Amino acid sequence: GAVVSQHPSWVICKSGTSVKIECRSLDFQATTMFWYRQFPKQSLMLMATSNEGSKATYEQGVEKDKFLINHASLTLSTLTVTSAHPEDSSFYICSAFTTGVNEKLFFGSGTQLSVL
Amino acid sequence: GQSLEQPSEVTAVEGAIVQINCTYQTSGFYGLSWYQQHDGGAPTFLSYNALDGLEETGRFSSFLSRSDSYGYLLLQELQMKDSASYFCAVRDSSYKLIFGSGTRLLVRP
Repeated sequence: GAVVSQHPSWVICKSGTSVKIECRSLDFQATTMFWYRQFPKQSLMLMATSNEGSKATYEQGVEKDKFLINHASLTLSTLTVTSAHPEDSSFYICSAFTTGVNEKLFFGSGTQLSVL
Repeated sequence: GQSLEQPSEVTAVEGAIVQINCTYQTSGFYGLSWYQQHDGGAPTFLSYNALDGLEETGRFSSFLSRSDSYGYLLLQELQMKDSASYFCAVRDSSYKLIFGSGTRLLVRP
């Protein structure tokens, strides 16, 4: 089945540093990927839609200059949290979908970010 | 805007049947999905309903009524490992998924 790989699975960083999270579709091409954020015991909140070869579309309230998204190829999207602060500590999850008859959305394993 | 409502918590005993309801209000609708998430893990896909009716996948079934903007997830023969959070989600025309707040299921022996 389709697999989405997300790396790293967890990261601890100092306040003010930048962190890059990678999301790869391993056995299918994904023109569109989605980035979600989830705080403890809360739901997944869509941050942005990542489109291959074009700018990402951000949801209302998400700072595009703080959460940089690059979708350089059909199998890779990256999310960079710039100048991270403790309030950015969260679980970040990417997803990609396969189209066709068996259309499904697959999630990466998530990245737990802790900013000290 | 879009909103989805589901119960915050449900408790059931092992071997029982539990139903988790989801009502939605959306500007566009292209299907209702259900996801399971264990603590510390990523969501995993359970089922997808684009049309009215019941979809069955093993012990899990999902139902959709588009006229009522309502769906439910039915879990049968509950097992301890089913203790997790369950999210309903609505897909719009751009393939974005909007998630409900989640239902925490606790299965007791």
